[in-house]
Amino acid sequence: DQQVKQNSPSLSVQEGRISILNCDYTNSMFDYFLWYKKYPAEGPTFLISISSIKDKNEDGRFTVFLNKSAKHLSLHIVPSQPGDSAVYFCATLYSGGGADGLTFGKGTHLIIQP
Amino acid sequence: DSGVTQTPKHLITATGQRVTLRCSPRSGDLSVYWYQQSLDQGLQFLIHYYNGEERAKGNILERFSAQQFPDLHSELNLSSLELGDSALYFCASSVEGGQQFFGPGTRLTVL
Repeated sequence: DQQVKQNSPSLSVQEGRISILNCDYTNSMFDYFLWYKKYPAEGPTFLISISSIKDKNEDGRFTVFLNKSAKHLSLHIVPSQPGDSAVYFCATLYSGGGADGLTFGKGTHLIIQP
Repeated sequence: DSGVTQTPKHLITATGQRVTLRCSPRSGDLSVYWYQQSLDQGLQFLIHYYNGEERAKGNILERFSAQQFPDLHSELNLSSLELGDSALYFCASSVEGGQQFFGPGTRLTVL
């Protein structure tokens, strides 16, 4: 059973507009959340993260929002640029879970249209 | 460039064979994680080594094993390969508990 779900396999957004990528999780023990970006033929690259003690974290054009009660997080990219076209993975971690690796969603392919 | 290197980039082999994938972590990172990305399952955590010791196991099959050597590089050994083992295999490194940096991956094709 998938613990982290990204329900939109793909998303197309016009350049300059806002991109909103969504992620839902089921395990309430997860307390650290990350977004990774992946280009073809490359490994995932860390983008931004948020701890469960916060509900928002901002880094330049990227903002992550966390709604713990809904077990939902989202990534906002404003304004969207052509170089943002990539696959975005949501990942979660339970920091008290010892040394476990990240639990990933299946990814959303973001396409920025010129 | 994340600083994590993986070899080989591509590997094509036959069912029943055994292969070894290699990962060199970023300088100073003691933790190495292995992940498998298949078309239907997404990125799945396999195993974590810290400074030569196994720390955690995820969805790793018994046919798969890993080790981390004194120079901190790690190898993932896949044996009795099946068609379903075809996937991208990533390693990631970190300082303990820190952000994970991913290598470019090894694409394994089992024919």
